[in-house]
Amino acid sequence: NAGVTQTPKFQVLKTGQSMTLQCAQDMNHEYMSWYRQDPGMGLRLIHYSVGAGITDQGEVPNGYNVSRSTTEDFPLRLLSAAPSQTSVYFCASTRTGANYGYTFGSGTRLTVV
Amino acid sequence: AQTVTQSQPEMSVQEAETVTLSCTYDTSESDYYLFWYKQPPSRQMILVIRQEAYKQQNATENRFSVNFQKAAKSFSLKISDSQLGDAAMYFCAYRDNSGGSNYKLTFGKGTLLTVNP
Repeated sequence: NAGVTQTPKFQVLKTGQSMTLQCAQDMNHEYMSWYRQDPGMGLRLIHYSVGAGITDQGEVPNGYNVSRSTTEDFPLRLLSAAPSQTSVYFCASTRTGANYGYTFGSGTRLTVV
Repeated sequence: AQTVTQSQPEMSVQEAETVTLSCTYDTSESDYYLFWYKQPPSRQMILVIRQEAYKQQNATENRFSVNFQKAAKSFSLKISDSQLGDAAMYFCAYRDNSGGSNYKLTFGKGTLLTVNP
């Protein structure tokens, strides 16, 4: 049982490059989400999904794109990386319908130069 | 929108002593959940304890307990018999239970706890 798997763990991008952060879970969780963590800011919600084919914006969605074609996968795309997107990114998932705990991935540290 | 405030950016405690981390939140909902997460230097987010708003009894998990004051919208975490392994960033988080797609967690900015030997 792998839980939530995020790849890569570290990444350095040049300004303007695009990339996809991968998130996969094997717990059949309906709800998946992406957060970014910045010093002194806590974790802020970027995008979330309540099931395959359904996504919505969170608090800080600009510059990011998501899709949810399967229950298991919820990739986060940076369309044109900017230094302001330097952060640690977390994927989290949970079952819907009750107060289940959230399972977090181990995070991706992204640096945009 | 709901907000979560942790007023203590940093705290320190002596090993074996007790420390309390503060958290307040703002919501117009009556049914919600509150969480404390621990983030050690490994960066992993670890659930410490959770509280359902409809339960009056404060949640406890071994050395960790909460003081949930619903009317005051306060949710503090008490760590008893502090251990070196408790050193971490602690986040308070809120999730409402009003139905629909409301599974979003709202986090505070965190409290960095140092444990002194």
